[in-house]
Amino acid sequence: DTGVSQNPRHKITKRGQNVTFRCDPISEHNRLYWYRQTLGQGPEFLTYFQNEAQLEKSRLLSDRFSAERPKGSFSTLEIQRTEQGDSAMYLCASSEGQNYGYTFGSGTRLTVV
Amino acid sequence: GEDVEQSLFLSVREGDSSVINCTYTDSSSTYLYWYKQEPGAGLQLLTYIFSNMDMKQDQRLTVLLNKKDKHLSLRIADTQTGDSAIYFCADRRPGGYQKVTFGIGTKLQVIP
Repeated sequence: DTGVSQNPRHKITKRGQNVTFRCDPISEHNRLYWYRQTLGQGPEFLTYFQNEAQLEKSRLLSDRFSAERPKGSFSTLEIQRTEQGDSAMYLCASSEGQNYGYTFGSGTRLTVV
Repeated sequence: GEDVEQSLFLSVREGDSSVINCTYTDSSSTYLYWYKQEPGAGLQLLTYIFSNMDMKQDQRLTVLLNKKDKHLSLRIADTQTGDSAIYFCADRRPGGYQKVTFGIGTKLQVIP
């Protein structure tokens, strides 16, 4: 297992376009998290999956954001009608159980121009 | 990360010890974590401590927890240039789905 994999590493898009990011967690991990990190800040929680069920969403996740984990394995995060304020690093993490620390991917850096 | 606070910057000389401090507000936090982030990379879990412990040592890393003051520290012995990174303190709270909340991060600069 190569850890948590995120694709693409970088994405530049024009304002108003839709983008989709993918996360492949560690295969034994049933919990998957999406965080967003802007420059000079710590990661902010976006959403959480246990297996295929999306169990919690942050109020940061506007209706332009949607996340799925259809078979309880990989997850996708889609942003519709991107805005410049969406520019950030989007981090995916997975964990084996609720008390374990997270294993993070390298992130997808989104730049909206 | 408004409930987990850290100083922004720390500079130390190579070979010295580094101490990075963190305060948190929720006394019911169950686990506290330290993560390291190098430029352009994701976060790497360094160590964690359960809230009923007051100290944990792992090679060059020592974590101290003062529950009364809600203060957590990370000591790095014999700091090396490869330790230069941003260090995030984080806590896990009970209730809901126990997501982890991160501080703003402390940038550690190691001077050769």
